[in-house]
Amino acid sequence: SQKIEQNSEALNIQEGKTATLTCNYTNYSPAYLQWYRQDPGRGPVFLLLIRENEKEKRKERLKVTFDTTLKQSLFHITASQPADSATYLCALSITGGFKTIFGAGTRLFVKA
Amino acid sequence: DVKVTQSSRYLVKRTGEKVFLECVQDMDHENMFWYRQDPGLGLRLIYFSYDVKMKEKGDIPEGYSVSREKKERFSLILESASTNQTSMYLCASSSLGGHLSAFFGQGTRLTVV
Repeated sequence: SQKIEQNSEALNIQEGKTATLTCNYTNYSPAYLQWYRQDPGRGPVFLLLIRENEKEKRKERLKVTFDTTLKQSLFHITASQPADSATYLCALSITGGFKTIFGAGTRLFVKA
Repeated sequence: DVKVTQSSRYLVKRTGEKVFLECVQDMDHENMFWYRQDPGLGLRLIYFSYDVKMKEKGDIPEGYSVSREKKERFSLILESASTNQTSMYLCASSSLGGHLSAFFGQGTRLTVV
């Protein structure tokens, strides 16, 4: 069956460092991969989308890579800040976008 | 500021009650979705709609129904609430890209007692 794995353990890093979160998947050939941010008690907020033919995408301090051979996406936050503390979800979609699977998310804590 | 608004943040209902969760979006999006989110399980799709009066089952539709009479409004109905439907419910909308770059509501924390 299709499966998405995000590190269930929280990631703790020091302010100013780069946070790297991982999303691995199996039995799936996604056309798109998305990353969302979710704060406690709130709905997810869309951050970035990357297509299967794109290796890397950037937006301000955020960078996403997509390796369809390794079946893995990495999500980087450079110069991290305490305000970046949240849960980050990855989501995979096949062509057409109507079949999307979300990962359970990784909690990030950035210490001042 | 674009918005997806869910009618309640917190809701407590009794087992067997019929429960209505309402969602309204102001972005003129074609697609709307209902998810539930449980710890460790991620978001699971209950139903979605890609047009007025159209609906499609998601991965876990049992015990739920939906209604989309107007483009901006998508309602989730729990026909007879059960304790295993205690969860966070999230509504989302998107434009023509299906689930892509979806906008989510703030969520409704439903407790069934």
